[in-house]
Amino acid sequence: EDQVTQSPEALRLQEGESSSLNCSYTVSGLRGLFWYRQDPGKGPEFLFTLYSAGEEKEKERLKATLTKKESFLHITAPKPEDSATYLCAVHIQTGANNLFFGTGTRLTVIP
Amino acid sequence: DGGITQSPKYLFRKEGQNVTLSCEQNLNHDAMYWYRQDPGQGLRLIYYSQIVNDFQKGDIAEGYSVSREKKESFPLTVTSAQKNPTAFYLCASSIGGVAYGYTFGSGTRLTVV
Repeated sequence: EDQVTQSPEALRLQEGESSSLNCSYTVSGLRGLFWYRQDPGKGPEFLFTLYSAGEEKEKERLKATLTKKESFLHITAPKPEDSATYLCAVHIQTGANNLFFGTGTRLTVIP
Repeated sequence: DGGITQSPKYLFRKEGQNVTLSCEQNLNHDAMYWYRQDPGQGLRLIYYSQIVNDFQKGDIAEGYSVSREKKESFPLTVTSAQKNPTAFYLCASSIGGVAYGYTFGSGTRLTVV
């Protein structure tokens, strides 16, 4: 059975304290892995797409990496405005033409 | 500016009522999707449509219905058969296949009263 697991469920960081969020997947052929940011009461906002193991992408304080089993979202020197829920989603090779989402990591950055 | 508009932002439904959630996009995207989001659960797919006048059931389609009469519009009806409709509903679109990811609307929070 295809699965996407995000950890931790929640993470509290001091401002400037770098850390990583994990998205592990067990799927029958990965076509792409997506990271989204979601603020409370709003729709998710696209961050990154990764297509193959070894690929990395960066945007400001965020860096996403991909291996054959998992993806990491590294947050360097976070600021309070980085507080949000971060969602991971996969596009599966043998599945329907839609994304399958993990449950998210709720990040809180304390000033 | 192009985007996806969901309305209303908040919706209250009485027991036994059908309600319709609106989703309109001006991105010229072919595919549109409806997801449901509950606390502690990932987004779950309700219905999706890749072209006008065609749509497919997702993982939790029971108690929901959709139509796709225009490329720009993909309304979702929550029927009285949906026993636990209180949730946050998200509409999304993609330019063709999902390889480029989704653009999401801002969501509709539905509450049963």
